[in-house]
Amino acid sequence: AQSVTQLGSHVSVSEGALVLLRCNYSSSVPPYLFWYVQYPNQGLQLLLKYTSAATLVKGINGFEAEFKKSETSFHLTKPSAHMSDAAEYFCAVKKAGTALIFGKGTTLSVSS
Amino acid sequence: NAGVTQTPKFQVLKTGQSMTLQCAQDMNHEYMSWYRQDPGMGLRLIHYSVGAGITDQGEVPNGYNVSRSTTEDFPLRLLSAAPSQTSVYFCASGDLTGGSGNTIYFGEGSWLTVV
Repeated sequence: AQSVTQLGSHVSVSEGALVLLRCNYSSSVPPYLFWYVQYPNQGLQLLLKYTSAATLVKGINGFEAEFKKSETSFHLTKPSAHMSDAAEYFCAVKKAGTALIFGKGTTLSVSS
Repeated sequence: NAGVTQTPKFQVLKTGQSMTLQCAQDMNHEYMSWYRQDPGMGLRLIHYSVGAGITDQGEVPNGYNVSRSTTEDFPLRLLSAAPSQTSVYFCASGDLTGGSGNTIYFGEGSWLTVV
């Protein structure tokens, strides 16, 4: 069965600092991988997705993620954090023909 | 284009009552699913469907029932509501083709409180 592990339920950074949110997946076949963001009391917004094209995926709001098969990882990064990036971030994995499975989420706090 | 529509947005139920959360999509997607979101637990899969007439259980199916009689609709039924089912529920849909078409779309969520 496929699964997703997000390392760190809370990450705190200063404004302008590097954002790194970690995600490792388990899947018997190459999966599709996603990062979603959720702002308080809102729904889910897709940040970016990996679908076996380029291993470095660029998303919205300056975020990007790199698919590393050897490490089974899909970490999310942003070079310079902004106050508006404070939110909860979810990594998710999906194989063709099956359901989307989420990690438990990482809450990002950004301080000035 | 309405996308994924969930109703109701807010609902308060008494223990033991039954209700149905509605989910409809207008994108002709084969895949639809229901999740519940609880603090610290992420989104947990309740049930999903890969086409009309086909449903399968997810991680937390107990106390919930689904059916998929049409491509557009995927209702979630709470058979006898319990306080443990107090949660935010999200419906999602997507196509099942490979490549860049694998975007999953989410509804805005339904806030359910069972007292």
